[in-house]
Amino acid sequence: DAGITQSPRHKVTETGTPVTLRCHQTENHRYMYWYRQDPGHGLRLIHYSYGVKDTDKGEVSDGYSVSRSKTEDFLLTLESATSSQTSVYFCAIRERSRNNEQFFGPGTRLTVL
Amino acid sequence: QQQVKQSPQSLIVQKGGISIINCAYENTAFDYFPWYQQFPGKGPALLIAIRPDVSEKKEGRFTISFNKSAKQFSLHIMDSQPGDSATYFCAASMIGYGQNFVFGPGTRLSVLP
Repeated sequence: DAGITQSPRHKVTETGTPVTLRCHQTENHRYMYWYRQDPGHGLRLIHYSYGVKDTDKGEVSDGYSVSRSKTEDFLLTLESATSSQTSVYFCAIRERSRNNEQFFGPGTRLTVL
Repeated sequence: QQQVKQSPQSLIVQKGGISIINCAYENTAFDYFPWYQQFPGKGPALLIAIRPDVSEKKEGRFTISFNKSAKQFSLHIMDSQPGDSATYFCAASMIGYGQNFVFGPGTRLSVLP
């Protein structure tokens, strides 16, 4: 499982509240990713990081911010959650030693009421 | 040009049958094509992957067929089993450049006993 954990695993929140999701990895991978998964859309990239304090936007970054203050943690923040952000969020890492494959965490199911 | 199309959206196969899922891409710079398998409540897991320098790759009951000229690739699951029931995602990347993955929308496979 590439040593990836996500927390929380489930969260219900209300519109307008801030939410932070955490991705933690134990194997010192440089690249980390946040995706959202919605029916009919597959996995869409929100933000990614290529090192401590180095992040960039993905396909669906509006309404999301990220931070990476240390190698092992990549945080995804919804500053003011909206119902359209109800989704399952996956963190992934890229493993250079294995053909740059991406390996995914177990996911966080977020419901915004 | 970054889009990856996938069909069918859902597939029902009898036990022992062959499951076939198709994907198509536009960007000829893509050079890496993985397939991911996802069970309910879990993160996607790498199943099999292919580079465009080969036309076919087989691992056990799973085979990727690749048609570079048509810009298409497909996953074949031989002797499908109920345990193969899952959602399958194709993806594409310019792996040599460390580019991010682009995912298809997914196919939900149900294998009937």
